[in-house]
Amino acid sequence: GQQLNQSPQSMFIQEGEDVSMNCTSSSIFNTWLWYKQDPGEGPVLLIALYKAGELTSNGRLTAQFGITRKDSFLNISASIPSDVGIYFCAGQLGGAQKLVFGQGTRLTINP
Amino acid sequence: ETGVTQTPRHLVMGMTNKKSLKCEQHLGHNAMYWYKQSAKKPLELMFVYSLEERVENNSVPSRFSPECPNSSHLFLHLHTLQPEDSALYLCASSQEPAYSSYNEQFFGPGTRLTVL
Repeated sequence: GQQLNQSPQSMFIQEGEDVSMNCTSSSIFNTWLWYKQDPGEGPVLLIALYKAGELTSNGRLTAQFGITRKDSFLNISASIPSDVGIYFCAGQLGGAQKLVFGQGTRLTINP
Repeated sequence: ETGVTQTPRHLVMGMTNKKSLKCEQHLGHNAMYWYKQSAKKPLELMFVYSLEERVENNSVPSRFSPECPNSSHLFLHLHTLQPEDSALYLCASSQEPAYSSYNEQFFGPGTRLTVL
């Protein structure tokens, strides 16, 4: 079945640093989604990408849909303490297909 | 209420108990999902309801029984669970894919289930 490899699994950074994480797949997707999950809460949608090569921003977050349709990355600029959490990528082949989730990247920020 | 709500937020039950998890979405969506999230594992899709009909059942044991009485409500009935069923159970909703090209899933806060 389809699998997503998300890396890194965890990151420990200083406040103010930029963050980069990515997801790769062995098969293509038509949609990439990035979610953030805080402890004890459900995932919250951050950015949705629908076209290969698309670059989309949401505040300090920027995500890109890889041109091969097999990868996506998420960047966070000038990290702040509330960025702490687990970030998940998710891919979807077509509208009727289920989402496939990555294993998550746990972000920890030292003040 | 807005978004997707789930009750209860926390549940502790014995292996012989029967309980139900409730999910309600206020987004006008017509597809709803149950996921299981265990420690250090990717989200596992359990059930999908589209237009109130079950369209996917990912080999989930029969001790989990979903119910979707209408497009806004989704239940997960639990009975004779095992300790390994302890996890965060997440509900999500989206537009039905056949009706929209943009069918991102929006999640509820989850129910933290502990089976003793």
